[in-house]
Amino acid sequence: GAVVSQHPSRVICKSGTSVKIECRSLDFQATTMFWYRQFPKQSLMLMATSNEGSKATYEQGVEKDKFLINHASLTLSTLTVTSAHPEDSSFYICSASQGSGGYTFGSGTRLTVV
Amino acid sequence: QKEVEQDPGPLSVPEGAIVSLNCTYSNSAFQYFMWYRQYSRKGPELLMYTYSSGNKEDGRFTAQVDKSSKYISLFIRDSQPSDSATYLCAMKTGNQFYFGTGTSLTVIP
Repeated sequence: GAVVSQHPSRVICKSGTSVKIECRSLDFQATTMFWYRQFPKQSLMLMATSNEGSKATYEQGVEKDKFLINHASLTLSTLTVTSAHPEDSSFYICSASQGSGGYTFGSGTRLTVV
Repeated sequence: QKEVEQDPGPLSVPEGAIVSLNCTYSNSAFQYFMWYRQYSRKGPELLMYTYSSGNKEDGRFTAQVDKSSKYISLFIRDSQPSDSATYLCAMKTGNQFYFGTGTSLTVIP
């Protein structure tokens, strides 16, 4: 079945540094990948949608210069949190779509900015 | 074997019907169980959150967890057309989330 690998699963970084999170579809080509952010016991908040080879579409209120998304191939999308601050600490989760309507989610990355 | 299995559907029911959505899992370490509802082009919305076996009720929604069978369910009573969406189950252990692929539900007026 479709598997999405997301890593790292946990990262701690210093304030002001940048962190890259990878989302990789292992056995299928993901035409579209989604990046979400989740606070404890809250809904997943869609941050952006990325299509391979084109610029990501960001949701309202999400700073595209702070959350850089690259979807350079059909199996890999990356989210870079630039100049991270403590308020960026959260769970970041990706999902990938094969285009048939189903979603496959990564296992999430817990980011802690100190 | 995937960690979480969910029938993708699609499922189509008449308005007023009782809907049953299910997921099975293989990892006995899962501690938290969630159901999300996702409308088209939106992020998943948390519907139910539970961390124990048994039933949890919230309005028309009932979440059921059977850890011995590794099986969770979401029941929707008196289903409405506005319930038409994709329903995702999710489970968590430690810092790891595991999602089902979602079941597409359509409630026909």
